Amino acid sequence: DQQVKQNSPSLSVQEGRISILNCDYTNSMFDYFLWYKKYPAEGPTFLISISSIKDKNEDGRFTVFLNKSAKHLSLHIVPSQPGDSAVYFCAASGESEKLVFGKGTKLTVNP
Amino acid sequence: NAGVTQTPKFQVLKTGQSMTLQCAQDMNHEYMSWYRQDPGMGLRLIHYSVGAGITDQGEVPNGYNVSRSTTEDFPLRLLSAAPSQTSVYFCASSYSLATTPYGYTFGSGTRLTVV
Repeated sequence: DQQVKQNSPSLSVQEGRISILNCDYTNSMFDYFLWYKKYPAEGPTFLISISSIKDKNEDGRFTVFLNKSAKHLSLHIVPSQPGDSAVYFCAASGESEKLVFGKGTKLTVNP
Repeated sequence: NAGVTQTPKFQVLKTGQSMTLQCAQDMNHEYMSWYRQDPGMGLRLIHYSVGAGITDQGEVPNGYNVSRSTTEDFPLRLLSAAPSQTSVYFCASSYSLATTPYGYTFGSGTRLTVV
C-alpha cells in the first residue's frame, strides 16, 4: 500500500509561470514532509520541508503548502526556470520513523 | 568535500556474479540506508542501519546483504546478481532515523546493469 502518492508522473510548464507539484499521503501519523529534487545522474538533494504544525513554508521561489485535513501537500515554484527541470520526490515520516518516498514527478520547464 | 561517497559509479555484472557497492560518509551520521530507483517505482528502501553493528531490512531486501562495522561505512552486497537487480542504487545518511528538517543526504548513485 503506497503511503505517499504523486499521481502526476510528469508536468510541463513555460518559463516564468508557476509550477505546482502535488502529493497525497494516507498515514495520519506522518508529521514531517519533505521535497527532494533530482537531476539525471545525480543523487536526490533536499529542497524544502514542512512540519505538520505548519501549513506553509517558503524558501525563495519555493513554497510548500500542507493541508492536513485533506492529507495533501503541494510544492509551488514561482517563477519557474529551465534549471528547475528535474524529478521531484515528495517524502514523509512519522516520529522516529524512516522517510517514505513517492514515485516522483518529472518537471520540464520550457524556455 | 563532506558528504556521502558511493563507488563504483557504474558497473556491469553477469547473472550469478557477486559484488559489493561501497558507501562512506564523513558527517558522523548514525543512520545510513540503501535505496534503489527504478522507472515508475520511485525510491525503495533496501536495508538500513541506525548505528554500527545494527542493521534491518527495508521494503525490498531480497538478494542483498549489508553490514555496519563502522559508523562511516555501509556496504551493500549482491550475493548472486539477477537481471531484476538492474537499477540505480543510492546510499543515504542522516544524524538519526527520525526525520530532521533536512532529511537525508544522498550519494550520487551507482548504476548497475546485470546481463
